[in-house]
Amino acid sequence: NAGVTQTPKFQVLKTGQSMTLQCAQDMNHNSMYWYRQDPGMGLRLIYYSASEGTTDKGEVPNGYNVSRLNKREFSLRLESAAPSQTSVYFCASSGGLANEQFFGPGTRLTVL
Amino acid sequence: TQLLEQSPQFLSIQEGENLTVYCNSSSVFSSLQWYRQEPGEGPVLLVTVVTGGEVKKLKRLTFQFGDARKDSSLHITAAQPGDTGLYLCATANAGGTSYGKLTFGQGTILTVHP
Repeated sequence: NAGVTQTPKFQVLKTGQSMTLQCAQDMNHNSMYWYRQDPGMGLRLIYYSASEGTTDKGEVPNGYNVSRLNKREFSLRLESAAPSQTSVYFCASSGGLANEQFFGPGTRLTVL
Repeated sequence: TQLLEQSPQFLSIQEGENLTVYCNSSSVFSSLQWYRQEPGEGPVLLVTVVTGGEVKKLKRLTFQFGDARKDSSLHITAAQPGDTGLYLCATANAGGTSYGKLTFGQGTILTVHP
């Protein structure tokens, strides 16, 4: 039982390049989330998916797109990376009434 | 959007000391969660408090939810180096259908020196 997995763990991009961050969960959770974490800013929600086939914007969606491929997988795409997108990205899932979220280990992205 | 203010932002103490971190809002919380994040890892849930005045204990950690459900505190007794990390409070968006969306405070970075 791996919980929430993310790939890659580290990535360096040049400005303008694109990439997709992958996330998968094996807990049969309906809801999945993408956050970014910057120093002094806590966690900010980028996009979320309440269930398979649905996605919605969070607090900071600009410059990102998402795909809820199936119940297990939720990917985050940067179409044209910018230095302002340098951050640590976390995927999370939840499925209980208590709204407990389970997080992946994060992807550390640097955009030069 | 419900804003959460955590204090202090940084805390550096010696092993064996006690400490308290705070999470405050001008709005009423539906529920309040505390997470701990160790360096290089994702946050992990420590506790959820739901009822005003509620106190929960997890070994040396004591969590309290304010009577008015607008504030919460985390008290650590006899801190150990293993307690080092980022402590985050979070709350589900009040009202409506939130689909479990959480709003996080900016966190308290705790360093416990041996």
